[in-house]
Order: sequence, then C-alpha cells, then structure tokens
Amino acid sequence: ETGVTQTPRHLVMGMTNKKSLKCEQHLGHNAMYWYKQSAKKPLELMFVYSLEERVENNSVPSRFSPECPNSSHLFLHLHTLQPEDSALYLCASSDRINQPQHFGDGTRLSIL
Amino acid sequence: EDQVTQSPEALRLQEGESSSLNCSYTVSGLRGLFWYRQDPGKGPEFLFTLYSAGEEKEKERLKATLTKKESFLHITAPKPEDSATYLCAVQALSGGSNYKLTFGKGTLLTVNP
Repeated sequence: ETGVTQTPRHLVMGMTNKKSLKCEQHLGHNAMYWYKQSAKKPLELMFVYSLEERVENNSVPSRFSPECPNSSHLFLHLHTLQPEDSALYLCASSDRINQPQHFGDGTRLSIL
Repeated sequence: EDQVTQSPEALRLQEGESSSLNCSYTVSGLRGLFWYRQDPGKGPEFLFTLYSAGEEKEKERLKATLTKKESFLHITAPKPEDSATYLCAVQALSGGSNYKLTFGKGTLLTVNP
C-alpha cells in the first residue's frame, strides 16, 4: 500500500467545471510535488512545495492552481481546462527536496 | 538542458531470458540517477538511486549500474511479474533547481511465461 494517497482516482469533467485533486502523504515527508503524465511523453514536473512553500511553478497555465495547507496535504485546483489537459496527474513526496520521491497512484483526468 | 533517453522503447522477453535496459543521460553535473518501476494504472515505484560512476545497486532480479554517460538496469532470469514500464530520471547537482527530476519516456518490459 502506497504512503501517498490520491483522490479521486478517476475524474471526468467538462471544460467549464471546477474541481480539485487531493493528495495526502503518510510518510512524514517535507516536500511534495505535482506531475503530469501524458501518453508517450516523459513525466512533467508542475509544482514543488518544500515545507509548505512553493518553490517551483514550471510554466504551468493558471487554470491549474496548487495549494499546500500543511506538509501532509497537497491540492490541485482545476478550472476551465482544455482537452489537452487530459492526463494522469501524479503526486509525489520526499523527505527533503532533493531526496528520492515517492509517488501516489495518480488521478486519471478526462476533459470532455 | 538535462536530457534522458531510454532504450529500447519496448522489450519482450521469455521467462528466464536475461537482458538489460539502457538509460543515456546528459546533465550538467549528476547529483543522482533514479530508477522507477510503473505498473499499469499505478504511480511509479522507487527502485534505486545511483550517485557516482561505478556504483551498483541490486534488488532481487534487478541490478542497476552507472557510468558517466549511462545507466543500465540488468534483469536476471525475469519472471512475468517483472513486466512493467521502467523509468529512469536524473537530478542535476548544480543550479537553483537541483531537486528537479528529468525523466525518460520509459521502457515497457513484457515477460512471457
């Protein structure tokens, strides 16, 4: 069983909807990450939080909005998404910001 | 810009047939090279970290090695349960973003019984 839990596992939404993805880590880690995984493409880093402060916003469109209320929880708020945003969204955590990252099982997002 | 190229894209083996996966990388000073395994519908599972050329790590039927330009993941006498996509990633030593992992596209391994 993974120490990083993501909900929901699957999400279908229209382009005008607003939804949020949730990630919770039970590993006592201090850094958390959001990645996007699309078919035939490498994992793309989206956001990084260290000790609840955002240290990376990797040129991600503003329709994706992260939130890290504490070191155990990470959210990704979604609004006005595009069809090309359909992908697997993965959350990861690490003990410190440059340590091995441990991933959740992702949220499969489909934009209609 | 850091780059990771994995080959082959897909590999099909018979049970017991040993082989190797390749990860070639270009990075401005290597802090670490990471191997992950990803099963369908799951997130990547951490396998190994290698930090310097000549280093080797083993876990069950898997052995990872590292040179200054590439890493190999050797699979000895694979079993069907070793079927998965294997991902390689590098982390740069220098710069303000030394926490970033640059991933390759992965190698899809299928082991037939």
